[in-house]
Amino acid sequence: KAGVTQTPRYLIKTRGQQVTLSCSPISGHRSVSWYQQTPGQGLQFLFEYFSETQRNKGNFPGRFSGRQFSNSRSEMNVSTLELGDSALYLCASSLGDADGGYTFGSGTRLTVV
Amino acid sequence: EDQVTQSPEALRLQEGESSSLNCSYTVSGLRGLFWYRQDPGKGPEFLFTLYSAGEEKEKERLKATLTKKESFLHITAPKPEDSATYLCAVQAASGNTGKLIFGQGTTLQVKP
Repeated sequence: KAGVTQTPRYLIKTRGQQVTLSCSPISGHRSVSWYQQTPGQGLQFLFEYFSETQRNKGNFPGRFSGRQFSNSRSEMNVSTLELGDSALYLCASSLGDADGGYTFGSGTRLTVV
Repeated sequence: EDQVTQSPEALRLQEGESSSLNCSYTVSGLRGLFWYRQDPGKGPEFLFTLYSAGEEKEKERLKATLTKKESFLHITAPKPEDSATYLCAVQAASGNTGKLIFGQGTTLQVKP
């Protein structure tokens, strides 16, 4: 079966711009979580969406936002980009139940210059 | 505060030399502990989920165990293809569905 698909794979943006990343979960999975991975902080939880509702949120500024569509695909948006936003952004999908495993995509590598 | 600490940060082994990776955790009620493997430039690949102390799971050369405070990933007779970063993550039981708290990882290099 198809895995979690993230687009684009690579992105270069300038400080102050905004960016939108996309994640298509495994078919049938209703939960999508987003993570930021940097060498210094490791993997940090951004937020989780389930059935189009944000169910959980990490400790990131309001510049980071997301949404989920009725087909479970999710997007995350970062506005007013800063150099420190350069990272690998990963999404993970699951069935969303208490016993669920989490399958990650290959990520979007964002570089802010 | 929920926290995960992995040790060592890096590990170099000769092919066939068995060893263990440690994951210590502090969490307000454990729903699950996860082990992932991550290769450079790729997303984490799921290995195991452990739910309760005493539980063990095996897959090829890997075996994961869980106690109330830590988990071990035992690697038996590793091969060069086992070289990767191994990540441990916990999920708290209290309403934090979808949120995994990750350790910093152990980077394993297996030399032929």
